Amino acid sequence: GAVVSQHPSRVICKSGTSVKIECRSLDFQATTMFWYRQFPKQSLMLMATSNEGSKATYEQGVEKDKFLINHASLTLSTLTVTSAHPEDSSFYICSASMGLNQPQHFGDGTRLSIL
Amino acid sequence: EDKVVQSPLSLVVHEGDTVTLNCSYEVTNFRSLLWYKQEKKAPTFLFMLTSSGIEKKSGRLSSILDKKELFSILNITATQTGDSAVYLCAVLRAAGNKLTFGGGTRVLVKP
Repeated sequence: GAVVSQHPSRVICKSGTSVKIECRSLDFQATTMFWYRQFPKQSLMLMATSNEGSKATYEQGVEKDKFLINHASLTLSTLTVTSAHPEDSSFYICSASMGLNQPQHFGDGTRLSIL
Repeated sequence: EDKVVQSPLSLVVHEGDTVTLNCSYEVTNFRSLLWYKQEKKAPTFLFMLTSSGIEKKSGRLSSILDKKELFSILNITATQTGDSAVYLCAVLRAAGNKLTFGGGTRVLVKP
C-alpha cells in the first residue's frame, strides 16, 4: 500500500515553457500532498502543502505565481512551473500521507532541466 | 527555527561493517521522527518513531529515539553494497503534518 506516482520523471525544455508535474496517490486518498525541491547533494526543501479543495500553503520564499499548485481530487495534485528558466532546473518530488501522524510516501521525482 | 542535524555527513565502510547514523533535532511541536533511504530517485520510508526507548527493527536496520536528549540513531549491521545511499532523517511536526529534513548522511559500502 501507500504508492505515490509522479509523472513525468524527466523533462527537458526551453526557457519560457510552462511545465506541469502530476502526483497521484494510487491506493489511498490524500487530502494533503506536499511538494519538495532538491538541489544536487542537498536535502529536500518543502515548497508547499497542497490541500484538496482549497488553496495551497506555500513556504516562505516560494513564489506562488511561479509554482502553481492544484489539488483537484483526493488522489491528484499538480505542480505547474510557469515560464520556467534555467534557475528552476531541479529535482521536484511530491509526497502524500494517509493521514495525520502517518509517514509521507514519496513519488519517484521529476528531474526538470530548462535550457 | 526548526533544526534537524545529521552526522556524519558521509562515510565509507566495507561490506560486513556496522554503521551508526545520528540525527539530532530542535523542533517545536514534535510529533514523530522518520528515517528515509534515498538512492537515485525519491526517498523510501524506513521507520517512524514516536516514543522514546522503543527500538524499531527491520532486517539489518534498526532505529531508536531519545526524546529527552532530542536525537535518534539508525543502525545498519552487516552492511551490503545495496545499502549505499543517502539516509535522511526528518521530523514531523504536530501542526500541519509537515516534515523538516536533515541534510542527510551519504553512506558508501565498498565490496
